[in-house]
Amino acid sequence: GDSVTQMEGPVTLSEEAFLTINCTYTATGYPSLFWYVQYPGEGLQLLLKATKADDKGSNKGFEATYRKETTSFHLEKGSVQVSDSAVYFCALSDEGNTDKLIFGTGTRLQVFP
Amino acid sequence: NAGVTQTPKFRVLKTGQSMTLLCAQDMNHEYMYWYRQDPGMGLRLIHYSVGEGTTAKGEVPDGYNVSRLKKQNFLLGLESAAPSQTSVYFCATLREGGLRNQPQHFGDGTRLSIL
Repeated sequence: GDSVTQMEGPVTLSEEAFLTINCTYTATGYPSLFWYVQYPGEGLQLLLKATKADDKGSNKGFEATYRKETTSFHLEKGSVQVSDSAVYFCALSDEGNTDKLIFGTGTRLQVFP
Repeated sequence: NAGVTQTPKFRVLKTGQSMTLLCAQDMNHEYMYWYRQDPGMGLRLIHYSVGEGTTAKGEVPDGYNVSRLKKQNFLLGLESAAPSQTSVYFCATLREGGLRNQPQHFGDGTRLSIL
């Protein structure tokens, strides 16, 4: 079945450092791809999305590009802030089959001043 | 504009007790989902509904039942709670199926502990 694999955390960075969180997927169809963020004690919020190959999703300085040839959707940010500390989830949408989301295991990011 | 509201936010149960988690949405979304979040496992789909009066099993449905008698509400029931059901439960909604650009909207979660 479809699946999402993302790098294990925690990822620990100093403020203003460059961030990459790797995400790869396997899918029989042509899914949409998402990054969700979970701040401490809160639910999941959509961070960005991409629906077709070579699409770049972006929001709040974060970016991810839908790479069909490498089945990847890596999350990047050029300069992280302490307020970016959270858990990040990569997910694909199983469209055509109830549109359920299939999640990666999540990556905790800790940013220190 | 509340979006997706889950009640309760926290609950502690004893093994064998029953309870119902409520998810309420005010966005008139057709699809609703219940996920559970466990450490190191991401979120896994328990049950879902594609419209009022419909329900279906997800990836990990055992030990749970659901109902969607009204479009705005999706209830998750535990008939006889077990320690393995200790988890954080999230409800999510989707405006309608088949639209590639539509993200799911999540509630803030219910933290459930079974002793």
